[in-house]
Amino acid sequence: GAGVSQSPRYKVAKRGQDVALRCDPISGHVSLFWYQQALGQGPEFLTYFQNEAQLDKSGLPSDRFFAERPEGSVSTLKIQRTQQEDSAVYLCASSDIDWGSGGLQLETQYFGPGTRLLVL
Amino acid sequence: AQSVTQLDSHVSVSEGTPVLLRCNYSSSYSPSLFWYVQHPNKGLQLLLKYTSAATLVKGINGFEAEFKKSETSFHLTKPSAHMSDAAEYFCVVSERNSGNTPLVFGKGTRLSVIA
Repeated sequence: GAGVSQSPRYKVAKRGQDVALRCDPISGHVSLFWYQQALGQGPEFLTYFQNEAQLDKSGLPSDRFFAERPEGSVSTLKIQRTQQEDSAVYLCASSDIDWGSGGLQLETQYFGPGTRLLVL
Repeated sequence: AQSVTQLDSHVSVSEGTPVLLRCNYSSSYSPSLFWYVQHPNKGLQLLLKYTSAATLVKGINGFEAEFKKSETSFHLTKPSAHMSDAAEYFCVVSERNSGNTPLVFGKGTRLSVIA
């Protein structure tokens, strides 16, 4: 079936420009995560949605970063007034939640290919 | 707070020889542990995961990892390296029994396979 998709795959922005990055999760997945991966580093958590509710935004580096998931499916990560330090790969992941007898369990996160952002 | 330490930033092996990628974790709770692989210009792919069942976990492409609580380790192994295994590997921890805990990644180990 279709996996997680992200667009655009590459984005070049001038410093100060606003950008919007889109994530289409696997259909039916409740949870959606955004991560930022700087060059040569592992991904770092930015924010988490359960359906349309943004339950955790503790990883967003500044108030220039904003994410939304208004209908509980597609999500958009917006970066205002981009700076050079925002250059990174932005990864989206989605997962289902197991509401089984063992308690709330986090299912495997499936990642999209990422959007590579370069701010000049 | 949870964290993982990947002990080698780069590992180089010859094709057909064993692979060992080392990972130590720190977690205040019962952890779930994962290994993900990232090929150039491709998305992260799950190799295997440990969530409290058997301590020896088998994954895809012949990889396996052993959870050792006493050593707080979760090393990744493969008996015989293939050229296609060359990639970046990430050890990852998250809190078990929580529906909204983000993954915490190590810095990655780049695996090179020499013909």
